[in-house]
Amino acid sequence: QVQLQESGPGLVKPSETLSLTCTVSGGSIKYFYWTWIRQPPGKGLEWIGYIYYSGNANYNPSLKSRVIMSVDTSKNQFSLQLTSVTAADTAVYYCARGGGGYNYYFDFWGQGSLVTVSS
Amino acid sequence: QSALIQPASVSGSPGQSITISCTGTSSDVGSYDLVSWYQQHPGKAPKLMIYEVTERPSGVSNRFSGSKSGNTASLTISGLQTEDEADYYCCSYAGRTSLVFGGGTKLTVL
Repeated sequence: QVQLQESGPGLVKPSETLSLTCTVSGGSIKYFYWTWIRQPPGKGLEWIGYIYYSGNANYNPSLKSRVIMSVDTSKNQFSLQLTSVTAADTAVYYCARGGGGYNYYFDFWGQGSLVTVSS
Repeated sequence: QSALIQPASVSGSPGQSITISCTGTSSDVGSYDLVSWYQQHPGKAPKLMIYEVTERPSGVSNRFSGSKSGNTASLTISGLQTEDEADYYCCSYAGRTSLVFGGGTKLTVL
């Protein structure tokens, strides 16, 4: 059974960079798309973007200027960086796997990591 | 890209059937049979319930079914059970390798 686990700081100061890592266990990171999705407290889901195991990435146009994703196949990990954060970036951040080797649905999810942006 | 439109809430009694709609545009839902649905219980991660409009992952009850007509996709839950009470989100491919979620629907089982 594939499992995903997010890790990273729970508190980030405004204007700084949010960094999260997702560790994949129980399966290989290869040949799949890996996605980041966030959910502000009490609100709905927002797709941030995805990265293929080869490193090819695509981002939500509304966040594209501030998002960088990377993948480390040797560690079975992929990462998210979101720059110049504000309070509006406070959310639970989920990592997820693209189902069936595709990028348009998500069959395995991490438990989520709450990141609060505050000074 | 704008969020897909879902009703804020729906309700039903145990044993009944309910349908949750997800309305997009000709640029997303209407153009691709790539709609998925997720169930989210409070404090938990979302769970995949339907993908590619009508497909059900292994382990998901056949009480859950999906459909699409034009720019609107729908999730139907038959034989409502108390454990179905949760938030439900639709998601669609929106072209140019982009994805968009619906605003979410809170299902209450009375």
